[in-house]
Parts: sequence; structure tokens; C-alpha cells
Amino acid sequence: AQRVTQPEKLLSVFKGAPVELKCNYSYSGSPELFWYVQYSRQRLQLLLRHISRESIKGFTADLNKGETSFHLKKPFAQEEDSAMYYCALSKANAGGTSYGKLTFGQGTILTVHP
Amino acid sequence: DAGVTQSPTHLIKTRGQQVTLRCSPKSGHDTVSWYQQALGQGPQFIFQYYEEEERQRGNFPDRFSGHQFPNYSSELNVNALLLGDSALYLCASSLSGRGLGGYTFGSGTRLTVV
Repeated sequence: AQRVTQPEKLLSVFKGAPVELKCNYSYSGSPELFWYVQYSRQRLQLLLRHISRESIKGFTADLNKGETSFHLKKPFAQEEDSAMYYCALSKANAGGTSYGKLTFGQGTILTVHP
Repeated sequence: DAGVTQSPTHLIKTRGQQVTLRCSPKSGHDTVSWYQQALGQGPQFIFQYYEEEERQRGNFPDRFSGHQFPNYSSELNVNALLLGDSALYLCASSLSGRGLGGYTFGSGTRLTVV
């Protein structure tokens, strides 16, 4: 069974401080991991995916298969980063695509204080 | 491009009634997934439609059913509503074979069962 755990429901940091949102997963196969973000009064949107190894808005996330983690990090938090963040997992298909269901964690509310 | 559009945005139903929610996918997308998001929880996968057929289903009872039309739009039907069905229902669209988790989400329909 697929499972995603985000241990922190709330996370508060000050502007300019580093931030790390934790995500652990359990899945027996080869997973695709993602971070989705929901800003106030906006819809859920994709922030980044591990397969592309990109950095979006200064955020990065490294898939650690040994620790089954996919923590989201940013060295210097900004006030506009305040939002709800969801870690999500999907099954990776042999062809390198993933169209199956997303399994979400419960989310972490990040608040960045001025 | 309007992205994913869902209707209605809010509705209130009485226990035992039936409800139909509607979703129009993002232009160019052919796959529609439905999620239920209870208050304080991450979205839970209900099912996914592709080529007018249910391709994958989550752990939801048969009271939850769906349909996809030739124009790729989709409906979610819930019969015999229970108080516990009160939630935000999200529709997400993607392009089959190119998903990689890059779903586009709608703003959701807030269903309240009284």
C-alpha cells in the first residue's frame, strides 16, 4: 500500500531562515514523488517533482530511497512562501510516465513571519 | 485557458439525497481524476477516467460513481449521501502518457450534507 506521512502539521519560521518540510513515504515499488502547494484562496498546484530534479521558487527536494524520504528545503524562506504544502506519491510506470492515483500526505501549513 | 473548471462551487444536500458534480478538464487534457478532501486532511483519490472508462479506483464505496463524456468532461455522482460525505471534491486533469504527476487541479466543489 502507498502511504505518505508529513509529521508536522504546522511549521513557523522567520523570513530569511532555512526551512525544511518533512515527508516520508512507504511504497514497495518504484515511486514518483511530488510536492504540491496551495496558497491562500488558490487552487492546488504542482511545485516540483523528483524526476525532473528542478528547483522551483528556490525550493529543492531530494529523494532518499534509503530513508524513504522526500523532504522539501529552501535556504532562505520568504513571506510569500506561506502556504499549505502537500507531499504526494504516485506509481512510476516502466515507460517513465505516471498517470495513476496520487497519494497525498496530510499537509504542512508553513508560516513565514516577517 | 481557464484550466480545470468545476461546478457548482458550493452546494448543500440532505442526508439520503443524490448529488452530481461536474468537471471540465484543461484544454488538451484527456484524463480526469476525482479526489475527496475532508477538512484538515490531504486529498483522497476516488477514481480516474480515461477514454470514457474508469481506469483506476480508490477505496470508496459503490455509492460513488462517475462518467466521462466524449469531450473529456466528467461527472461525479454520489448516491445516498451520508453526513461523512461532506468535503471538498477536487477534479484534476492530465494528459495520458505524459502525466508524471503533473495534474492540473480545479478549485473544487464544497459539498455539505445536513
